[in-house]
Amino acid sequence: QSALTQPPSASGSPGQSVSISCTGTSSDVGGYDFVSWYQQHPGKAPKLIIYEVTKRPSGVPDRFSGSKSGNTASLTVSGLQADDEADYYCSSYVGNTKFVFGSGTTVTVL
Amino acid sequence: EVQLVESGGDVVRPGGSLRLSCAASGFTFDDHGLSWVRHAPGKGLEWVSYINWNGGSTAYADSVKGRFTISRDTAKSALYLQMNSLRAEDTALYFCARLQLLGDAFDIWGQGTMVTVSS
Repeated sequence: QSALTQPPSASGSPGQSVSISCTGTSSDVGGYDFVSWYQQHPGKAPKLIIYEVTKRPSGVPDRFSGSKSGNTASLTVSGLQADDEADYYCSSYVGNTKFVFGSGTTVTVL
Repeated sequence: EVQLVESGGDVVRPGGSLRLSCAASGFTFDDHGLSWVRHAPGKGLEWVSYINWNGGSTAYADSVKGRFTISRDTAKSALYLQMNSLRAEDTALYFCARLQLLGDAFDIWGQGTMVTVSS
């Protein structure tokens, strides 16, 4: 199972929006509505911010939103804040109780 | 407080073995599937292995299948990863992660334990 494809980097100024794509195949992203997104600050554990493509766990601001079209999922961070500077990873269920992560995107707040 | 705490990471020679542990607390252990996820230096996250709520179902990434074994002990609320025939490419920070009740996303993560495979 190959890693899902994400752009290596994305950036935006405070208050702006940034979107990150996550491209897979019909066997993963396109085949299941079980796409999740994780935020990871340096030296910290990943944190779940989106699950089942569009849902936010309790406590995650609505500035974070997810969507999916075909084999590509997307994460949008609106109203960028300094603390949003982190690495972001998508993940998808791929069947048979297996999962795959994306290659990761570093978001920089300019 | 819901918590996962990994231990057991070390420096090991290629071909060697290591057993990682993950102690769970603050939630009903039997309710959740669990996974190991690793983060190699300079690379992205990689899902490694899964075990269901009662240990009756397991799954592995192709990169570790046949070398790693996941298990759990309900009495101790603990998750384990037995790692054999270790290779340099297994060098990574290993996280244990809890799956949500629906089993579709990892909602709780530990802080990780570092495994270094080097001669």
